[in-house]
Parts: sequence; C-alpha cells; structure tokens
Amino acid sequence: DGGITQSPKYLFRKEGQNVTLSCEQNLNHDAMYWYRQDPGQGLRLIYYSQIVNDFQKGDIAEGYSVSREKKESFPLTVTSAQKNPTAFYLCASSIASVRTEAFFGQGTRLTVV
Amino acid sequence: GDSVTQMEGPVTLSEEAFLTINCTYTATGYPSLFWYVQYPGEGLQLLLKATKADDKGSNKGFEATYRKETTSFHLEKGSVQVSDSAVYFCALSGDAGGTSYGKLTFGQGTILTVHP
Repeated sequence: DGGITQSPKYLFRKEGQNVTLSCEQNLNHDAMYWYRQDPGQGLRLIYYSQIVNDFQKGDIAEGYSVSREKKESFPLTVTSAQKNPTAFYLCASSIASVRTEAFFGQGTRLTVV
Repeated sequence: GDSVTQMEGPVTLSEEAFLTINCTYTATGYPSLFWYVQYPGEGLQLLLKATKADDKGSNKGFEATYRKETTSFHLEKGSVQVSDSAVYFCALSGDAGGTSYGKLTFGQGTILTVHP
C-alpha cells in the first residue's frame, strides 16, 4: 500500500539530547513537510522540501534540522537547542504542484524528560 | 500573509444534530481549500477539498462550499454520528505571491464531540 510511514510512534529522550524522527513515503511525491502540533495551536510548519537536496525553513525552524538526500525520505532532527521539544510531530507529502493537498503520516509523539 | 481562522471550540452535539464549523481565510489570489479530520492519536486525513470559487467539496455526508465573496469554507453535516467525534482542521494551499505558495496553512482546529 502507498503511504507515509513515521517512526517511532512514541519517543522519549532526556533533555539535552538530539533525536531524529523518521519519515518515509512511497507515493513518489516530490514535496515533503514537517509540522509540529501542540494542543490548541493547530499545525505549525517546521521545514519543507520541494525537491531532493533542497529544503526551506518554515515558521518555527529554530532548534530543528532536516536533510533530503533521497526522494522518499525526509528525516527531522530535534536538537538540544529546541527549547520546548515535547510535541506531536507530523510528516506529510504532496505532488510538487501549487494548490494541492498533502497526505499525512500517523505522527510521532516526542516526550523530553 | 495567508491565514485561516476557524470557529473556536470545542463543539458538543447530540447524535443526529446538524453541524456547522465556520472557516474563513485570507490569501493572495485563488487558493485551494481543504478540510482535514484527525482522530485521537492519529495523523490528519483529507476529508474534502475545493479548488475554485463556488466549488462544493463533499465526502461521508460532509460538505463545504468555496465562497470567494465571503472568503469562507464552512463545514456542514446534516446528521452527525458518534463516530464523527474528532478534531477538524480547515486549511489552504496558496497561489503564487502568497505565503502559502507550495505548502499548507492550517486553522487552529475545532474539537467535535458527539454524544449518543
């Protein structure tokens, strides 16, 4: 089945550690996105990529980093510089065209203790 | 920049009641508009969409009409079920020149709870 796979579903890390969230898609989509979701704040865009080896900062990129070495993969690293990393993280993908919908993975809930 | 505003929730209804969730937007040009649904602990699923003015998107009994004159895309359902309990997000994907060009901008979400 085609889709977007995020792993792991739940992730616990100690404060000060970097952590990488995985996102893989087999939809042959060019564009991929990372969103952060906090209660009552909707979804906020962290980073997005329209093509391999290129990506742009979203609205809340500070403390995060990404790479796009393969079309199907867009991992997100939450660094120790992110002041409040506990959140639900959603990965999405879409065809590389304007005004189109995105398809989402099941999310990763990150808890930093 | 481009933005989406949804009615504040939560919304609590009895089964078979009529549902309206208001959504208005600000965007450059002619964006596409979407409603997504999120069940507890899951990702977002596309519920319906509309790509031009006066288009009506529909799916699973839900409907929304793209109103350019009022910059609105209100979600409606004539008879809700307990299984419709979820969080609903209005979103837009913008036109060239707007801040949502090539990406989605979301409203804050509306929690819907339907009681038997």
